Amino acid sequence: EDQVTQSPEALRLQEGESSSLNCSYTVSGLRGLFWYRQDPGKGPEFLFTLYSAGEEKEKERLKATLTKKESFLHITAPKPEDSATYLCAVRSGGGNKLTFGTGTQLKVEL
Amino acid sequence: EPEVTQTPSHQVTQMGQEVILRCVPISNHLYFYWYRQILGQKVEFLVSFYNNEISEKSEIFDDQFSVERPDGSNFTLKIRSTKLEDSAMYFCASSDRGGYGYTFGSGTRLTVV
Repeated sequence: EDQVTQSPEALRLQEGESSSLNCSYTVSGLRGLFWYRQDPGKGPEFLFTLYSAGEEKEKERLKATLTKKESFLHITAPKPEDSATYLCAVRSGGGNKLTFGTGTQLKVEL
Repeated sequence: EPEVTQTPSHQVTQMGQEVILRCVPISNHLYFYWYRQILGQKVEFLVSFYNNEISEKSEIFDDQFSVERPDGSNFTLKIRSTKLEDSAMYFCASSDRGGYGYTFGSGTRLTVV
């Protein structure tokens, strides 16, 4: 059974203070690792999909990286509007089901 | 940007009643999904639907649940006899053939009283 563990559960940063969120996974046959952003009461908003170890993707202040066991979401010089819960999910096997972690709740303060 | 639309945004129902949650997936997507998120918990897969049939389902998706694509644009989740523990956010999602463009809707908050 696929397992996804995210850490830390919660993170408080000052504006401009860079940091990283971790997503560790155990799957048989990774077919995609997904990062989503979720605001309170809203649906997951797609950020990135990574498919193979060594792959990196960037979008504004966010950069996602992937190894064979984990993925990192690096946040450079965050702003208050980056405050949200960041979700990691994996797709494996023959289907399209995503297995999610519990998320990291990020709060960026002025 | 294409989006997945869900209605209603919030539904309150009495225990034992039937509810239907509605979704309009992205028009050129072929795979449709329902997920749920109980307050404070992780997002959980319920079911995937492709070519007018269920392609995969979780243990949560028991006989009380059913899905349907009644026309070319809508995708529905029916819960036949709601229980208190069915209270959750229900998210519809869609993707194309390779699982690309996996997009979620904004959700329906179901409250069973």
